Amino acid sequence: DTAVSQTPKYLVTQMGNDKSIKCEQNLGHDTMYWYKQDSKKFLKIMFSYNNKELIINETVPNRFSPKSPDKAHLNLHINSLELGDSAVYFCASSQLAGVSGANVLTFGAGSRLTVL
Amino acid sequence: AQKVTQAQTEISVVEKEDVTLDCVYETRDTTYYLFWYKQPPSGELVFLIRRNSFDEQNEISGRYSWNFQKSTSSFNFTITASQVVDSAVYFCASAYSGAGSYQLTFGKGTKLSVIP
Repeated sequence: DTAVSQTPKYLVTQMGNDKSIKCEQNLGHDTMYWYKQDSKKFLKIMFSYNNKELIINETVPNRFSPKSPDKAHLNLHINSLELGDSAVYFCASSQLAGVSGANVLTFGAGSRLTVL
Repeated sequence: AQKVTQAQTEISVVEKEDVTLDCVYETRDTTYYLFWYKQPPSGELVFLIRRNSFDEQNEISGRYSWNFQKSTSSFNFTITASQVVDSAVYFCASAYSGAGSYQLTFGKGTKLSVIP
């Protein structure tokens, strides 16, 4: 049973299209994240949700819209795709940071988006 | 804000050599957390270790060891008797409390190649 699963693993699409990446975690975690890894392997947080509420929203174009229908799911929808959106997108989850501090993030396998 | 610097972009070693991956962090927080993640060629992100700012004890796990020194703001990672399976990109990361949760900031990664 995969702890954090993302679909699709690969996505190739044309500029201007709209696409979604889905993420589900079965760890019972409260917090979920989206990270973007660019072609130079740099990992940067995009969003963080805690119990369906947005708590971190980094400087990301508003073409990117996360949606969390419940605490086990965090989907990423991207409108009007651009060439620069090509990257690997990682979903992750963790227990809510609390008394024990920053908890370990468990990552999905990544979704490689290629925009042509 | 926090910053993590991994000055070594790429390292190549011959199998069985020891190798140290450097990580220097910057923070104004007194409470923070440091992490190492491994990204093998298959692309997933694998958690290796978490250390909080109040625990400067070094840690050893098999062939892996970590040296945390607050005086130099470093959290270096050593692999002893390297093996080909250690070939991966290794990320150092730090976490601080921001916007009500802990936000993980990654370094740019060090690509380790272990040559047989």
